Amino acid sequence: AQKITQTQPGMFVQEKEAVTLDCTYDTSDQSYGLFWYKQPSSGEMIFLIYQGSYDEQNATEGRYSLNFQKARKSANLVISASQLGDSAMYFCAMRELMDSNYQLIWGAGTKLIIKP
Amino acid sequence: DAGVTQSPTHLIKTRGQHVTLRCSPISGHKSVSWYQQVLGQGPQFIFQYYEKEERGRGNFPDRFSARQFPNYSSELNVNALLLGDSALYLCASSPDRVDYEQYFGPGTRLTVT
Repeated sequence: AQKITQTQPGMFVQEKEAVTLDCTYDTSDQSYGLFWYKQPSSGEMIFLIYQGSYDEQNATEGRYSLNFQKARKSANLVISASQLGDSAMYFCAMRELMDSNYQLIWGAGTKLIIKP
Repeated sequence: DAGVTQSPTHLIKTRGQHVTLRCSPISGHKSVSWYQQVLGQGPQFIFQYYEKEERGRGNFPDRFSARQFPNYSSELNVNALLLGDSALYLCASSPDRVDYEQYFGPGTRLTVT
């Protein structure tokens, strides 16, 4: 079963608009972590933001914020005032304890294209 | 400070051959993880090494193996290559075994023909 679901394969957004990228997750653990990464065409994964399952406040990092709704098991990424350089693949990932070790489970990604 | 480095950047191999991919973590980082990213998909966890010991293994066949050296650099080995092994192989390092953030290298793109 899918543990991380990103329902938007691709999105087009006008420059300077805000954009929300959806992520839902499935886990029975009480302690877990949620991540968003950006992957430009160069291939390197760039860490954007982290939310712990016990964090009461939504995480924010500059123009990035994470809309964490624990009961709905959703962790949407919000990018404010989008820029052309935001065009990339975006991945949601969950850190989960498996066989006494932590693993990152990844979604399939959303391709974001910012239009000038 | 240098980031995570990986070599080679690109590689073309033939089915049945063996390949070795290399990763140097950020200085001071003791944990290295390997991921496989097939085109159009998210990464899949292969291995984590911490303090030179295997700490986690994903759902990959025994053809995949890895090791970590005393300087914390790591090698990923794949034997008997299949066409389906064609992918971007990403290495990530972190200071400790469990961290909020992993730092990724640029990846090695492997093509199996």
